[in-house]
Amino acid sequence: DIQMTQSPSSLSASVGDRVSISCRASHDISTFLNWYQQKPGKAPNLLIYATSNLQSGVPSRFSGSGSGTDFTLTISSLQPEDFATYYCQESYSTPLFTFGPGTKLDMK
Amino acid sequence: EVQLVESGGGLAQPGRSLRLSCTASGLTFDDYAMHWVRQAPGKGLEWVSGIGWNSGDIGYADSVKGRFTISRDNAKNSLYLQMDSLTPEDTALYYCTSFNNYVEAFDFWGQGALVTVSS
Repeated sequence: DIQMTQSPSSLSASVGDRVSISCRASHDISTFLNWYQQKPGKAPNLLIYATSNLQSGVPSRFSGSGSGTDFTLTISSLQPEDFATYYCQESYSTPLFTFGPGTKLDMK
Repeated sequence: EVQLVESGGGLAQPGRSLRLSCTASGLTFDDYAMHWVRQAPGKGLEWVSGIGWNSGDIGYADSVKGRFTISRDNAKNSLYLQMDSLTPEDTALYYCTSFNNYVEAFDFWGQGALVTVSS
């Protein structure tokens, strides 16, 4: 089974900051890596698929990179609506999937 | 507008059963593999189970294998999760989500059905 880790587990930042969240897979997953944003009381929302592709409607301040086992989600200039929890998820081992443990991004 | 609406959640005693349903609208249901993802209170997302568009390619997380059964009825645009031998560790909000084969990600989500297992 593929294990996913994320760092940091929590992050405090300010509006306008550039932030990066890391995700690591226990095995090579090529670029089969997705990112989701979840706000309190809401369902997750797909942000980025296949490592670096922005889902329709997602602002361009979000970007993703990486391959193999190491991946990064970057928000270039934090906006108030970006404070949320972010999850990575591998889609390499379909039909089985694994999510990372999440990174909670809150306001400094 | 795509809508996934879960139902069937509630309170169950340990060892008992519950059946979740998810009804889809606004999408071509049999174009999608469908999955259940759960979130225990205050915790992260956990993939539970998935089923291919034609009921093939079924998978389960180790934590539910042998106790949960996923199924679908394309004629009714519906997904199901039969949960047997429930334990308190199954207490969670259960989301129904569609897997988009083109982007290979979960693109639509329901609002979740709360399952509480307690005596």
